[in-house]
Amino acid sequence: SQELEQSPQSLIVQEGKNLTINCTSSKTLYGLYWYKQKYGEGLIFLMMLQKGGEEKSHEKITAKLDEKKQQSSLHITASQPSHAGIYLCGADRDTDKLIFGTGTRLQVFP
Amino acid sequence: DAGVTQSPTHLIKTRGQQVTLRCSPKSGHDTVSWYQQALGQGPQFIFQYYEEEERQRGNFPDRFSGHQFPNYSSELNVNALLLGDSALYLCASSLANIWRDSTLSLASNTEAFFGQGTRLTVV
Repeated sequence: SQELEQSPQSLIVQEGKNLTINCTSSKTLYGLYWYKQKYGEGLIFLMMLQKGGEEKSHEKITAKLDEKKQQSSLHITASQPSHAGIYLCGADRDTDKLIFGTGTRLQVFP
Repeated sequence: DAGVTQSPTHLIKTRGQQVTLRCSPKSGHDTVSWYQQALGQGPQFIFQYYEEEERQRGNFPDRFSGHQFPNYSSELNVNALLLGDSALYLCASSLANIWRDSTLSLASNTEAFFGQGTRLTVV
């Protein structure tokens, strides 16, 4: 089974709607990273969460790390077509590599 | 700042051949990690290089090897290519500044910057 589970796997929303993507870990997270990926391209860093209860925002995207540090959510407010892509969560397990979830594919239609 | 650059962007190879992918890290970064991303999957860690040495390795066979040069750039080599090696290969650079129990660890207050990737197709 995956160490990091993302849900949903796929999401189709109408422009202007809010949405949430979840990332659940089977182990304690030392750092949780959110990346966005356009199809077939590299990963764009969105934000990193480290402390339980931490919340960060960038433009219309907000990410939270729960108190027990085993789950994170990414919330997009008033979605736009530019938000479309694949959202990946990555975990730092106190080693020198990142473990990634399988990603959530987001489509936003006008 | 050009960020992380990878070359080539696309590559088509025949089964059994060998391939070399290249990565130049973001300016100021000294650590390079390589990831393999199959279609529809999240990236899988291959290995990481720091100070011209392989510091950590994922679950990949010895056909996958690498190198880091004094200028911190890196190469990923794959020998005896298989059809299953077809994937997007991503390079990530970071700055290592934490040692935990003699093991290099990604600094908790930095992030890894990724290149655009090399799309390898094995036919």
